[in-house]
Amino acid sequence: GPKVLQIPSHQIIDMGQMVTLNCDPVSNHLYFYWYKQILGQQMEFLVNFYNGKVMEKSKLFKDQFSVERPDGSYFTLKIQPTALEDSAVYFCASSLVGQGYAEQFFGPGTRLTVL
Amino acid sequence: GDSVTQTEGPVTVSESESLIINCTYSATSIAYPNLFWYVRYPGEGLQLLLKVITAGQKGSSRGFEATYNKETTSFHLQKASVQESDSAVYYCALGDRPGTGSNRLTFGKGTKFSLIP
Repeated sequence: GPKVLQIPSHQIIDMGQMVTLNCDPVSNHLYFYWYKQILGQQMEFLVNFYNGKVMEKSKLFKDQFSVERPDGSYFTLKIQPTALEDSAVYFCASSLVGQGYAEQFFGPGTRLTVL
Repeated sequence: GDSVTQTEGPVTVSESESLIINCTYSATSIAYPNLFWYVRYPGEGLQLLLKVITAGQKGSSRGFEATYNKETTSFHLQKASVQESDSAVYYCALGDRPGTGSNRLTFGKGTKFSLIP
């Protein structure tokens, strides 16, 4: 079936540095999402994105976070500067349509470790 | 905010026996959220198992079933006869956006299931 790819699979970074997580969504999908999962906790919604704009973000989406998808390339999550509490697995997802019943296709996740 | 509570794993049963994973939800912004079960097989990404968007309806896929019960705010996942290939982590989720352009999911913590060796 359709696959979402995430690069890298694991990133280790020092606190205060910038990190960019990359997502290659399903090719014809129009809606994009990031979720965050801290070890032992549930996956939580961060942000969704459509037509070049953030549609909705949660309280977890701090000012240090930003997303973009320039010219149909990777959908990226940038954190600048990083903090210890940003250590988590970040999952990217995409969907063809934006209705609430739409199936979201998930990537395998990027494990971010902030030292 | 919204929340989803599901059976705490790990859950183990013998091959050919039945499996049930409980899921209850609380949706504060919408009376009838969309309900989903996602599954993560070993070494793979999260994928949709089944969904139900109408209260009272039942969804089914790969031998699994779940009924949307608005009275008990539950969406339990069941399978009558499990196999080795069902070993995975199962996630209950709700979507509270009925419209377009602002879809988001609230997940439970996941329930790991495996066969008794």
